[in-house]
Amino acid sequence: AQSVTQLGSHVSVSEGALVLLRCNYSSSVPPYLFWYVQYPNQGLQLLLKYTTGATLVKGINGFEAEFKKSETSFHLTKPSAHMSDAAEYFCAVTVRSSNTGKLIFGQGTTLQVKP
Amino acid sequence: EAGVTQFPSHSVIEKGQTVTLRCDPISGHDNLYWYRRVMGKEIKFLLHFVKESKQDESGMPNNRFLAERTGGTYSTLKVQPAELEDSGVYFCASSQVSDSEAFFGQGTRLTVV
Repeated sequence: AQSVTQLGSHVSVSEGALVLLRCNYSSSVPPYLFWYVQYPNQGLQLLLKYTTGATLVKGINGFEAEFKKSETSFHLTKPSAHMSDAAEYFCAVTVRSSNTGKLIFGQGTTLQVKP
Repeated sequence: EAGVTQFPSHSVIEKGQTVTLRCDPISGHDNLYWYRRVMGKEIKFLLHFVKESKQDESGMPNNRFLAERTGGTYSTLKVQPAELEDSGVYFCASSQVSDSEAFFGQGTRLTVV
């Protein structure tokens, strides 16, 4: 069975500071990993994904994440937070080569950016 | 190109009533998914359609929930009768193939009072 744990339901940073949102996963088979973002009153938008290949993945809006198999982690980072980054972020996992693309989500982390 | 569209955006109903949620996927997307987020909890998978067929309905909570996708286009999710614990945000997503990016709708917020 697969599971995802996001450490910290709320993270607060100052504008310009480093953003670090933590995600650990559990999977008995090689996973595909995702980060989604939900802005207020909008649907989930894909930020980035890891499938195979390079373990450092770059996404939209300056975000990136690194797949670390030994640590079963897929933390999301951004060097400098912007006010527009305030949103809820979800880490998710799915099984490679499955006939279903169903996602297993973490609990979500709300990012607050202070001026 | 239109994204995934869900109707209604909000619904407030009384316990025991019936509610039907609708999802229009992106045109040409054979895969359609329903997810639900109960307040304070994670987003959970409900079911997956490939065209009009149910590929995986392992996440459906009980037989008060019925999902259909007649003709392989839009999908409906009916809750009958609704219970208080059914309150939450229901998301729909679609993708071209099962392991490609899933695009999400804005969700339907269901409140059962």
